Amino acid sequence: SYELTQPPSVSVSPGQTATITCSGDKLGDKYASWYKQKPGQSPVLVIYQDKKRPSGIPERFSGSNSGNTATLTISGTQAMDEADYYCQAWDSSVLFGGGTKLTVL
Amino acid sequence: QVQLQESGPGLVKPSETLSLACTVSRGSISNYHWNWIRQPPGKGLEWIANIHYSGSTNYNPSLKSRVTISVDTSKSQFSLKLSSVTAADTAVYYCARSSDGSGSFVWFDPWGQGTLVTVSS
Repeated sequence: SYELTQPPSVSVSPGQTATITCSGDKLGDKYASWYKQKPGQSPVLVIYQDKKRPSGIPERFSGSNSGNTATLTISGTQAMDEADYYCQAWDSSVLFGGGTKLTVL
Repeated sequence: QVQLQESGPGLVKPSETLSLACTVSRGSISNYHWNWIRQPPGKGLEWIANIHYSGSTNYNPSLKSRVTISVDTSKSQFSLKLSSVTAADTAVYYCARSSDGSGSFVWFDPWGQGTLVTVSS
């Protein structure tokens, strides 16, 4: 069965660029979406169709998808970006990655 | 901005049926697909099913045999029933909107606040 694999954790210093990856077989042939979830809150869509930002999402959030890897990039990372991030795609059903905890320290 | 609100019992006994409703406000239930997604405590997200306002449905194959999803457009509500629950079904259950029901054009925005359902005797 198809799986999306994310690193469990990523750390970044404030102001630096955070990169979170999501891997799956030929994922680049599918559309990937990304969600941000803070503790005790609902997930929020931050990227859809690989690289589109919903209204209200800061420009520092960007996405790409090629080959077997989709990538969420957060430029000029801020303390408020600390959260869990989930990738999502479709392969016969909706699939989510296991999530990546982003720590800003 | 459309808002979604889950409602239902927070405690369900093992082997019984979990029943939840999601009310859509500040927007129309028409022309979209409506989803249920769950998250066990401390774990990741799992999509359960979706329904179009017309009644067409899509299910997670791993849960399909136990899931019933329905829509009541007159109440701007859609509902989830999950039968024969066990402790493994303990989770926060979210409802969410998507523009498509299947395929590459499925993403979720917005989400409800979620409701914790515990399966325990």
